[in-house]
Amino acid sequence: AQSVTQLDSHVSVSEGTPVLLRCNYSSSYSPSLFWYVQHPNKGLQLLLKYTSAATLVKGINGFEAEFKKSETSFHLTKPSAHMSDAAEYFCVPQGILTGGGNKLTFGTGTQLKVEL
Amino acid sequence: ETGVTQTPRHLVMGMTNKKSLKCEQHLGHNAMYWYKQSAKKPLELMFVYSLEERVENNSVPSRFSPECPNSSHLFLHLHTLQPEDSALYLCASSQDRPQGLGVTQYFGPGTRLTVL
Repeated sequence: AQSVTQLDSHVSVSEGTPVLLRCNYSSSYSPSLFWYVQHPNKGLQLLLKYTSAATLVKGINGFEAEFKKSETSFHLTKPSAHMSDAAEYFCVPQGILTGGGNKLTFGTGTQLKVEL
Repeated sequence: ETGVTQTPRHLVMGMTNKKSLKCEQHLGHNAMYWYKQSAKKPLELMFVYSLEERVENNSVPSRFSPECPNSSHLFLHLHTLQPEDSALYLCASSQDRPQGLGVTQYFGPGTRLTVL
């Protein structure tokens, strides 16, 4: 079974400074991992995903994440934070359902605050 | 309309009412999902439909009754709900394939449900 740990429940950065949201995974095989973002009172939007094709994954809005097997990590980064990045971020492992469909297992996420 | 739409966006109901939530996906996908997002709790998967067949029922009480009449529409019928059922209900869809890790789920904006 797969699981992830988002090491910080809240992260606060200043606008224009780098963002680092940490995620460590636990899996007995190569996982499929997603980062989703949820702005207040909105649905979830996919930022990027890792599917074993490339370890450095580029996503939308300048975000990227690097899959590091040796560290069992998939941290999300952005060089320069913008006010609009303030939201909740979820690192999510994916599993397969035997009857069809797939299963995303969400944790409690990391709340990113961006200050002027 | 594009993507995944949900109606209504907000719903207030009494414990004795019967109501339905509607989800429609315009992406040609073959799997649809209901999730519940309660305050300060992780997103919980409720139901999964793949090719219009229910493949997952995640121990959801019978006062929630899903229906998937075709691959584009998903309903969640509600009756005799409790105040603790107040939450954001999110619908998602995906295009699944065999050994389908890495398949993206696309989310709707959600229905904010309040049970009085």
